[in-house]
Amino acid sequence: DAGITQSPRYKITETGRQVTLMCHQTWSHSYMFWYRQDLGHGLRLIYYSAAADITDKGEVSDGYVVSRSKTENFPLTLESATRSQTSVYFCASSELGDGYTFGSGTRLTVV
Amino acid sequence: SQQGEEDPQALSIQEGENATMNCSYKTSINNLQWYRQNSGRGLVHLILIRSNEREKHSGRLRVTLDTSKKSSSLLITASRAADTASYFCATEAGGGADGLTFGKGTHLIIQP
Repeated sequence: DAGITQSPRYKITETGRQVTLMCHQTWSHSYMFWYRQDLGHGLRLIYYSAAADITDKGEVSDGYVVSRSKTENFPLTLESATRSQTSVYFCASSELGDGYTFGSGTRLTVV
Repeated sequence: SQQGEEDPQALSIQEGENATMNCSYKTSINNLQWYRQNSGRGLVHLILIRSNEREKHSGRLRVTLDTSKKSSSLLITASRAADTASYFCATEAGGGADGLTFGKGTHLIIQP
């Protein structure tokens, strides 16, 4: 996982609170992605970004917001956390047509 | 929705044996990738095969792609206990800029 860092590693938050998950990459990859991993669903794409200031919704974007003011950072914000957002969140980066480099993940629990 | 579907969902073999996992997908792709995930960790990229390629090797890994059948296979030869993990196929389609679509994975257990 060298080159892409996610923080925090674990997070417990209450329903209705805003929470931000951080992702930082040192590869200078153009593309960055947020996935969530849930038992029975595999990995599902939340948001992706092709470059700084360019973001697009993925399959399960409702309730999430992203920003990308700098190439290396791609924070994911849950505006008002719900129990259904309890999941493991993975950030990834790549160049177009290449394999992805994933972070170690953030395990988020909403109580 | 899942693009790739791995088969089997779980596989248990003895150390030293070969492990084969299959992946089927639904739409045209640019490339297909295989990833490994150890318990509690992030995904690690193993190999990428492009739509115009039929076979690719990397160490003990061999991947095949049959675009006419929309299927791929991952073969791990001479398995080791350290190969115990979940393996996912993922497809890149369209312009390629809108992310990979993952299957639900095959959980591989190598018995020592």
